[in-house]
Amino acid sequence: QVQLVQSGAEVKKPGASVKVSCKASGYTFIDYYMHWVRQAPGQGPEWMGWINPNSGASMYAQKFQGRVTMTRDTSISTAYMELSRLRSDDTAVYYCARDHCINGACYTRFDYWGQGTPVTVSS
Amino acid sequence: QSVLTQPPSVSGAPGQRVTISCTGSNSNIGAGYGVHWYQQLPGTAPKLLIYGNNDRPSGVPDRFSGSKSGTSASLAITGLQAEDEADYYCQSYDSSLRSGVFGGGTKVTVL
Repeated sequence: QVQLVQSGAEVKKPGASVKVSCKASGYTFIDYYMHWVRQAPGQGPEWMGWINPNSGASMYAQKFQGRVTMTRDTSISTAYMELSRLRSDDTAVYYCARDHCINGACYTRFDYWGQGTPVTVSS
Repeated sequence: QSVLTQPPSVSGAPGQRVTISCTGSNSNIGAGYGVHWYQQLPGTAPKLLIYGNNDRPSGVPDRFSGSKSGTSASLAITGLQAEDEADYYCQSYDSSLRSGVFGGGTKVTVL
């Protein structure tokens, strides 16, 4: 069965960086794009970007460009999301979510989600 | 401000039918991109409920159905049950933003 297991909760100070991991199992890691979505307290989800685990190519939402970096380690089927220059409004639960892909075409549809990683930014 | 617009809340008695609207634009729903719906129970990750406008993943009861017309989509829940009390989000792709986009969410309350 498909599983996405994320790293644990983080507390960071403003200006710091955070790196969240997402370990995939139950499917071929390189065959499916991985997205990152965050959800601030009481708010709806917000799409941050995706990474193609096969090529390493990524695309980020304009809002996060310059602050976010998505990477992967195919040897351990793990995707990473690093967000820098943290601000208090980056306090949120960060999710990885697997796309629905068929024969190399992906549909920006989130079939499986990680359990979420709470990130708190506070001085 | 979310790209897709949903009502903040809907409510209904057990057994009733409720619908949730999701309004977009010609660069997302109106451009033909699929609309997907997610159910989120408190303290858990969203779960895919409807994909591609009106298809259900295996295991999702047929009480849940989706539809799309023009720049809008809807989620209907028939035979409302207490366990359906949750937040519901629509989601699509926006070609102008080149990004996934979500609605702000609708809280369903079972009276």
